[in-house]
Amino acid sequence: NAGVTQTPKFQVLKTGQSMTLQCAQDMNHEYMSWYRQDPGMGLRLIHYSVGAGITDQGEVPNGYNVSRSTTEDFPLRLLSAAPSQTSVYFCASSTGFGELFFGEGSRLTVL
Amino acid sequence: QQPVQSPQAVILREGEDAVINCSSSKALYSVHWYRQKHGEAPVFLMILLKGGEQKGHEKISASFNEKKQQSSLYLTASQLSYSGTYFCGTGEEDSNYQLIWGAGTKLIIKP
Repeated sequence: NAGVTQTPKFQVLKTGQSMTLQCAQDMNHEYMSWYRQDPGMGLRLIHYSVGAGITDQGEVPNGYNVSRSTTEDFPLRLLSAAPSQTSVYFCASSTGFGELFFGEGSRLTVL
Repeated sequence: QQPVQSPQAVILREGEDAVINCSSSKALYSVHWYRQKHGEAPVFLMILLKGGEQKGHEKISASFNEKKQQSSLYLTASQLSYSGTYFCGTGEEDSNYQLIWGAGTKLIIKP
């Protein structure tokens, strides 16, 4: 019973590099989302998807891209990493407007 | 327009009660409560929907005052396992999928 799986758990990038954070869920949830969490600021929504082929921006979308080609996968791409993107990233899924199931998180450091 | 949580932190002795408040300036449809322990993902506690419904979960309950756009989380007879940071996430009337999160309330329970 995997739930929501995020990879990698830790990543160090240099400024300007690009990378993809992977997120997969095995609960057949339609809704998936990406959050970043910074100290003292709670969770901030980056992008979300209400189903395969449908994505939308959240509060802080700049510098990130997403796609949703399947129900299971929702990768987050950092186009050109900046130190301001140093954060902990969480992927979450739900059946709709209900309980969010979170992945374990990905800790990203941009030097 | 991040909801405001209060207090920012609270220290209790095991067995004592606590109340955590979440207040928004927006018209809310829902309030979500999660608890996060250090280095872990947030864990769902409960959702309250417009209608002022009070919910309970063992010794943790919550209320939602839709007229005041406020929610309160009640922890009674606190246990050591209740330690962590509590977050409220608010869903607004016209953007249910985009939860806006408070900055969190850190709860420390001492033996």
